[in-house]
Amino acid sequence: EVVLTQSPGTLSLSPGERATLSCRASQSLSSDYLAWYQQKPGQAPRLLIYAASNRATGIPDRFSGSGSGTDFTLTISRLEPEDFALYYCQQYGGSPLYTFGQGTKLEIK
Amino acid sequence: QITLKESGPTVVKPTQTLTLTCTFSGFSLSTHGVGVGWIRQPPGKALEWLAIAYWDSDKRYSPYLKSRFTITKDTSKNQVVLTMTNLDPMDTATYYCANTHRAFGYGFIKWGQGTLVTVSS
Repeated sequence: EVVLTQSPGTLSLSPGERATLSCRASQSLSSDYLAWYQQKPGQAPRLLIYAASNRATGIPDRFSGSGSGTDFTLTISRLEPEDFALYYCQQYGGSPLYTFGQGTKLEIK
Repeated sequence: QITLKESGPTVVKPTQTLTLTCTFSGFSLSTHGVGVGWIRQPPGKALEWLAIAYWDSDKRYSPYLKSRFTITKDTSKNQVVLTMTNLDPMDTATYYCANTHRAFGYGFIKWGQGTLVTVSS
């Protein structure tokens, strides 16, 4: 069973600061199948990053993804007010086929 | 423009069967590499993947569903249906459908708005 552990659970930062969110897998993953999502209250998730480091359509370049094996990172270079939200990582191809992390809440300090 | 929308009852009783329909536009589920999946989110909790139907008629399920869920597709109607049997209050959640494609590493590219299903007597 592939388990994704996201840290920290909550990240308190100010607009303009840099955010670093971590996603650690219980076993090695293919970078081709690691994605990140943003979810705001009352909204559906939005795909930010796919294949570990590729930005989805329309995603600003302040969002970047990196990592391989068991350690993956989502970085927001300079926080905008609209970036404060919940973030999930997700893997494909393991067992179960899809797994989501438990989420990181990015809140305004 | 790709859109997906979930529809179905909002309140069901325990032990009943629930059928949710995802109606989509802007892509075809007969195109190579395409899939439509279902994901749910209990109130205040994380996302949980449930099932996926692929362009080639392959279907996969979460092993935690204990065979209660069935996914079917109707390519001509641009619909994917999720049927859930023997519902329990723990199945109360917002249910989303989303499309995926191999070119996107099978991440869920576009999501429907979600539909809140409450299981209560």
